[in-house]
Amino acid sequence: GAGVSQTPSNKVTEKGKYVELRCDPISGHTALYWYRQSLGQGPEFLIYFQGTGAADDSGLPNDRFFAVRPEGSVSTLKIQRTERGDSAVYLCASRARDGVEGELFFGEGSRLTVL
Amino acid sequence: GQQLNQSPQSMFIQEGEDVSMNCTSSSIFNTWLWYKQDPGEGPVLLIALYKAGELTSNGRLTAQFGITRKDSFLNISASIPSDVGIYFCAGIMFSGGYNKLIFGAGTRLAVHP
Repeated sequence: GAGVSQTPSNKVTEKGKYVELRCDPISGHTALYWYRQSLGQGPEFLIYFQGTGAADDSGLPNDRFFAVRPEGSVSTLKIQRTERGDSAVYLCASRARDGVEGELFFGEGSRLTVL
Repeated sequence: GQQLNQSPQSMFIQEGEDVSMNCTSSSIFNTWLWYKQDPGEGPVLLIALYKAGELTSNGRLTAQFGITRKDSFLNISASIPSDVGIYFCAGIMFSGGYNKLIFGAGTRLAVHP
């Protein structure tokens, strides 16, 4: 498809397990963002990639969270030793180099539930 | 944590009514944006504002970038059922060498036919 694709759409896991969430951005978009959205809240910034490198990872809450984008396209958000507080919708967004400033194209999100 | 304060948190209105929501911050932003999120989807950009004092319209939507660069409002005229959703303000500030986009907590709009 032409939009940002995220998989899985839903993930239920047990406390302490490892989780990977995948984002496939719009083709040609160099900037990629991960946000986390808790119930009743706005998206909260986690990490920003420009190409393959993480330009800003200051939003990652702790060292259990890690994200990669090895070829400058698909990105994977990895969460180790999941906790119940990690339950949220994880949104991925991409932006065109010459796009409207601030216009991020979001995927539908991956809803993570940690039991 | 969030640096943008949106109000009201939620609104329940009759179809055809006008709606107004706003966003304030203690920080100065270079750009203000308004996004809408439908259930089960990611936010979609509605309007972008780039200059203090700027007033911009997009169909039934009108938004303004406050003179102090610390606030913005969004108006929706003659609401229709498909306006239902969550409206987020977002601000761009230059931080860490790049433009960082920060979202408010959202205003939830319900429209009664």
